[in-house]
Amino acid sequence: SAVISQKPSRDICQRGTSLTIQCQVDSQVTMMFWYRQQPGQSLTLIATANQGSEATYESGFVIDKFPISRPNLTFSTLTVSNMSPEDSSIYLCSVSRGGYNEQFFGPGTRLTVL
Amino acid sequence: KQEVTQIPAALSVPEGENLVLNCSFTDSAIYNLQWFRQDPGKGLTSLLLIQSSQREQTSGRLNASLDKSSGRSTLYIAASQPGDSATYLCAVRGGSSNTGKLIFGQGTTLQVKP
Repeated sequence: SAVISQKPSRDICQRGTSLTIQCQVDSQVTMMFWYRQQPGQSLTLIATANQGSEATYESGFVIDKFPISRPNLTFSTLTVSNMSPEDSSIYLCSVSRGGYNEQFFGPGTRLTVL
Repeated sequence: KQEVTQIPAALSVPEGENLVLNCSFTDSAIYNLQWFRQDPGKGLTSLLLIQSSQREQTSGRLNASLDKSSGRSTLYIAASQPGDSATYLCAVRGGSSNTGKLIFGQGTTLQVKP
């Protein structure tokens, strides 16, 4: 398994501001993933973060809105920029591990934008 | 494009009942399938991972089956308990390698009544 922590666990932010979410893993992983879960919805992949290279973004997500850093093999950050109420979601960090790439998730960051 | 569907969307059962959650996917070319549990406002907990070459996996009171040719998986929960109340998510990893993306279903929200 994997032990993943996220900070903050929740936040309430004002429209137009930015929030940076941190993700820490208990041991080194090659790929880290960021997901968004809007209220009442399932998970949508935002981007894949590889150490030493730029993140790969999914359709509908852009770097200017969701900049990602991956400074080492156990840590990543996701910034939600210029927030609007539509950004209110749970943001989840995830890693895959093992030969079959079993995927594990952090506890999530619950973001509310007013 | 892979689509994952879970039926029913919600289920309420009395304690002690055995139950089955269903997951179907449109593209049978999958690498593996994973079942997760999500408690309200929380992250995801990995329950079972089934490789495409496997037919089933068991963990305690949980048994997951996979029929790749028909595009179906089921999660069987034996002797349900109130602590099993949560949302159960099915996710498939497409392609022939372990680097494919996880595609999630919408989930089944289970309530087990004492």
